Amino acid sequence: QLQLQESGPGLVKPSETLSLTCTVSGGSISSSSYYWGWIRQPPGKGLEWIGSIYYSGNTYYNSSLKSRVTISVDTSKNQFSLKLRSVTAADTAVYYCARGTPPYGLDVWGQGTTVIVSS
Amino acid sequence: QPVLTQSSSASASLGSSVKLTCTLISGHTTYIIAWHQQQPGKAPRYLMKLEGSGSYNKGSGVPDRFSGSSSGADRYLTISNLQSEDEADYYCETWDSNTHVFGTGTRVTVL
Repeated sequence: QLQLQESGPGLVKPSETLSLTCTVSGGSISSSSYYWGWIRQPPGKGLEWIGSIYYSGNTYYNSSLKSRVTISVDTSKNQFSLKLRSVTAADTAVYYCARGTPPYGLDVWGQGTTVIVSS
Repeated sequence: QPVLTQSSSASASLGSSVKLTCTLISGHTTYIIAWHQQQPGKAPRYLMKLEGSGSYNKGSGVPDRFSGSSSGADRYLTISNLQSEDEADYYCETWDSNTHVFGTGTRVTVL
């Protein structure tokens, strides 16, 4: 059974870079049958898609975050990662990684990790 | 203008049914959507994908009580025989040109 697990620092200082990793188990991240994404949820608010990466290496980002976001894949470790630069308190959220099956939406979620932006 | 609209809340009695609506904006009325459930304090869980024809395909382990249907720009999630564990937030999701968007979510309360 496919499982996704987020990991990374729970506290990041303003203006620094938030870095998270999603480890995939029970399946290969290299499969051309899927894509991989990041989603976040600020406290008490709804879900916001951050971006996705495909087997081809193509990446797609939320236009509101595009200038600050990079998503990459490490096939040797069966992981994909999120970097969000120049963070502010508004980036405080639970961050989820997820899998999607093209041409459809997201269909497997990680358990989420909380990131607080504070000095 | 949001691509998807959802009502903020819904409630129904234990054992009854509730029907949630996700409305696609003009120009997106044929789009496929997905429904996700988020129980309090938990990660979202994929429930199903739902086409404009009303055809739906549920995720592994999703109870038979959950079903989908469509009418025009509206996509519905019906929960029958409502259980206490169905008290949760329900989000619809759609995608276009490899970018995704979520609805604002509907909070379901079981009375």
